[in-house]
Amino acid sequence: AQSVTQLGSHVSVSEGALVLLRCNYSSSVPPYLFWYVQYPNQGLQLLLKYTSAATLVKGINGFEAEFKKSETSFHLTKPSAHMSDAAEYFCAVRRNSGNTPLVFGKGTRLSVIA
Amino acid sequence: DARVTQTPRDKVTEMGQEVTMRCQPILGHNTVFWYRQTMKQGLELLAYFRNRAPLDDSGMPKDRFSAEMPDATLATLKIQPSEPRDSAVYFCASETTSDNEQFFGPGTRLTVL
Repeated sequence: AQSVTQLGSHVSVSEGALVLLRCNYSSSVPPYLFWYVQYPNQGLQLLLKYTSAATLVKGINGFEAEFKKSETSFHLTKPSAHMSDAAEYFCAVRRNSGNTPLVFGKGTRLSVIA
Repeated sequence: DARVTQTPRDKVTEMGQEVTMRCQPILGHNTVFWYRQTMKQGLELLAYFRNRAPLDDSGMPKDRFSAEMPDATLATLKIQPSEPRDSAVYFCASETTSDNEQFFGPGTRLTVL
């Protein structure tokens, strides 16, 4: 079975500082990994995804994530935080087969301080 | 701009009442998912369909929840009778077999008093 663990339910950074949101996965088969963002009272929007191609994945809004098989990690980073990045971020995994349900982490709430 | 739509956006009801939530997937998307989000459990799968056929509904309490796809443009999630513990945000998501991205609707926020 697949699962993900997000370390830290709340992360606070200063505007312009590095953003690092941690995600570790567990999967018995090669996984597909995703990061989604949720703004208040909205649905989830895909930031980026790993599908066994390049291990460094670039997404929208300046975010990127690196798949590290040896560490079973898929951490999300952004070099410089912006106030508009404040939101809830979810890491998710699914089997390396098409169109199966996502298994989500508990989420990390990112606060950006001016 | 193709989007998943969900109605209603907000629903407040009393315990014991029937609740029906609707989802219109993106045109051409043949796989539809229902997820529930609560503070305690986070995001969890309730059910999903491919080409309108249910593939997995093991996440739903069978005695009170039912999910259907009357046609390719409509998915419904029904709770009867509703209970306060059903209070949550219910999300619908859709995707095609050729993509690897689920598109989420805005959710239905359900409050059962």
